[in-house]
Amino acid sequence: KAGVTQTPRYLIKTRGQQVTLSCSPISGHRSVSWYQQTPGQGLQFLFEYFSETQRNKGNFPGRFSGRQFSNSRSEMNVSTLELGDSALYLCASSLGLAGLSFDEQFFGPGTRLTVL
Amino acid sequence: KNEVEQSPQNLTAQEGEFITINCSYSVGISALHWLQQHPGGGIVSLFMLSSGKKKHGRLIATINIQEKHSSLHITASHPRDSAVYICAVRGTGTASKLTFGTGTRLQVTL
Repeated sequence: KAGVTQTPRYLIKTRGQQVTLSCSPISGHRSVSWYQQTPGQGLQFLFEYFSETQRNKGNFPGRFSGRQFSNSRSEMNVSTLELGDSALYLCASSLGLAGLSFDEQFFGPGTRLTVL
Repeated sequence: KNEVEQSPQNLTAQEGEFITINCSYSVGISALHWLQQHPGGGIVSLFMLSSGKKKHGRLIATINIQEKHSSLHITASHPRDSAVYICAVRGTGTASKLTFGTGTRLQVTL
């Protein structure tokens, strides 16, 4: 069974641009969670999607958004990029809703975003 | 004060040593996770605990809910165990999210 895949793996953007990152969960998994990892703040929860609905959201500005498609694939978008958005963005999938189930989360390799 | 505190921040051990990494948290939780992150970024979930103790190979994880404390033990450490180990807790309620510790960087030398 294929693991969680994320595209692209590396991305360089300039301030003010927007970016879309993609995450394909493990087949059969319905929950996708997104995380941001920076050297200063560590790992932080962005949001979770389940059955095409955002079920939970972290403390990030509205420039960060996401969606989930009927095949459970998910995208996250960051508009008006700032230098501080440079980070490793990780997604993780699980069978059920992460907050309610005790299903294991499987992480993707991440997308490393650099904002110049 | 962070909700999740890990110690030590850095740890160097010789091959074969017994290693303990500690995690303390200050909120009520439904589960605690131990994650392993290798250079390059990939994260692997090692354990998910809500009580007691779990063992997988040379790794053992324990949790004491009353004391709000968990430990990750590595027996007979090996250089391939070198990685960052991250503790994360999931709060209670339907909108619970994962809150992460800052990680423990482990280097195992020959």
